[in-house]
Amino acid sequence: NAGVTQTPKFRILKIGQSMTLQCAQDMNHNYMYWYRQDPGMGLKLIYYSVGAGITDKGEVPNGYNVSRSTTEDFPLRLELAAPSQTSVYFCASSPSGATYEQYFGPGTRLTVT
Amino acid sequence: GESVGLHLPTLSVQEGDNSIINCAYSNSASDYFIWYKQESGKGPQFIIDIRSNMDKRQGQRVTVLLNKTVKHLSLQIAATQPGDSAVYFCAEMPGGYQKVTFGTGTKLQVIP
Repeated sequence: NAGVTQTPKFRILKIGQSMTLQCAQDMNHNYMYWYRQDPGMGLKLIYYSVGAGITDKGEVPNGYNVSRSTTEDFPLRLELAAPSQTSVYFCASSPSGATYEQYFGPGTRLTVT
Repeated sequence: GESVGLHLPTLSVQEGDNSIINCAYSNSASDYFIWYKQESGKGPQFIIDIRSNMDKRQGQRVTVLLNKTVKHLSLQIAATQPGDSAVYFCAEMPGGYQKVTFGTGTKLQVIP
């Protein structure tokens, strides 16, 4: 299993540009999450999904959108990028059931200038 | 709002000693707690979890203690090794198990 994969690893955007951060998992997990991590800080939940076709907002959803058309994929869309969105973005997945351990991808480092 | 936080931002420990990382949480409705380890440039990695109906859980070289009375969580690492150097996060999940709130993190530095 590849686990949770994220692309790209790094990206520099200009203010106002848009992009999609890709996330895929091959563990057949129902739950998927997007977090952002600012320097020296903890992770903040942006959006999450409990299954294909179902998404919900987390703590900091403004400026982002998600979709979940398949179990495997959970892309994060940034519209009109702003400097405040400079961060490291982590995607995670977890199985439904008795354990809620989350498996994280390697992250995407995004800089908006 | 309710949040999870850590007392110490950095902890330096001599190799071979035991480490204790602390975490305070404020949401009394939280039902499930997790400790994660994050090495530089990587995503967080699960270490150990504990449910609110327990006060102690042990893993390999790690022990998590939960004190619901004072809303306190701790991670104990026995015989700390250089490979334990990382940032450690506690996280809480209220009922529903869908939303996780992470603390700020504690950086553990192991001195050889």
